Order: sequence, then C-alpha cells, then structure tokens
Amino acid sequence: QKEVEQDPGPLSVPEGAIVSLNCTYSNSAFQYFMWYRQYSRKGPELLMYTYSSGNKEDGRFTAQVDKSSKYISLFIRDSQPSDSATYLCAIAGGFKTIFGAGTRLFVKA
Amino acid sequence: GAVVSQHPSWVICKSGTSVKIECRSLDFQATTMFWYRQFPKQSLMLMATSNEGSKATYEQGVEKDKFLINHASLTLSTLTVTSAHPEDSSFYICSASGTSGRAYNEQFFGPGTRLTVL
Repeated sequence: QKEVEQDPGPLSVPEGAIVSLNCTYSNSAFQYFMWYRQYSRKGPELLMYTYSSGNKEDGRFTAQVDKSSKYISLFIRDSQPSDSATYLCAIAGGFKTIFGAGTRLFVKA
Repeated sequence: GAVVSQHPSWVICKSGTSVKIECRSLDFQATTMFWYRQFPKQSLMLMATSNEGSKATYEQGVEKDKFLINHASLTLSTLTVTSAHPEDSSFYICSASGTSGRAYNEQFFGPGTRLTVL
C-alpha cells in the first residue's frame, strides 16, 4: 500500500465549477499536510499547508484535513482556466515528505 | 523570496556521457536539498537528500555511483548523471529547504531540468 494515495485523473471541469481534490494516507505519524501546484514542465509550488484537522482558507482555495480518517482535500471555488495544472498532495513529518501521484486538472473556458 | 534555480533547463546528450545539473538557492540558505526525477504524467520520485557538507542519503533503488550528488555550500548542490543511458531520460527537479519557509519542512522547487539521452 502506498503511503499516499491520490487519483491521477485527469479531471475536467467547466470554468466556475467547484473542484474537489483528495488524498488518503496511511501513516498517522505524518503531521503536516500540503498541496502543491505544478504547471506543465515547471517545478511544483506550495499552495496550502495545514497542521491540524479542520479547514484552512486562502482566497478561492480551501484545504481540509480529517486526521481520524486520514483524508485530505483541496477545494477550488470559481475555478479558472489558469487553475489547469497538476495538484500534488504531500504529507510530512520527521524531516520526510511524501508526495501523492498528482491529479491533473483541466478547467475549460 | 525563496527562489531556486536549476541549470541547464534542458540538455541532450549522447549515451555514455556524463551530465551535470546545478541547483542553486538564490536568496536563502538551503541546509537541505532534495533531488527528484519525474516521468511523464507521474509524481515526483525522491532520489536523494543532501545536507550541506555531508554525503547524500540515497533512496532505495537509486545507484549512488550513477547519480553523484554534491552539496558543497549552502546555496549549491549538483547532480551528475554518469554514463547516461536512454532510460535516464527524465525530468530532474531539485528542491531546497532551510532558513526560509512558511510551512514545516517547506521545500522550494527549482524549475526542473529535462534530460534526453540519445
């Protein structure tokens, strides 16, 4: 079993839709949760990070963590074509970071 | 702030030759640098972790003698792919963490180097 499971997609939505991206993880020792966005042929960039269970908002992005079920989510409201990218979840702890496979998102104008 | 650069951005080489990729943290001190490779439509695969001034720690299955990593300063790490073969063709990305960061162990990624071995 992979330590982080993420559906690779692709996920295609119309502009303005609410996007839900999800990951599950298996090791409760990891305490930090991050979402990275990666545009084609570029390095990933950190979008959101959370430590505790619950929600964290930043503009159109909301990161959600449920430690009891080991489930993390990223919601994108009012999605834009510029949001088209690959989104990678990551879990970290003890100086170790593990990335999910990434979900490719296409937002159609 | 927290910018990481890589050079070259792309390289084509002949089979059997060696290629060196540089990773630099431009505006912060990177105590730790990571090297990843990424195949098309796949996630990042960690190859090795290096701390400034010490030997790199390689992930299982990564050949130390083939992928030479040097982290001689707090702003520079290099990855040398020795005796490259076509199967080494990939997107190599470095990241750095250190004195900057909004999140625990935040890694700042370089733009990647696309290696094609003919």
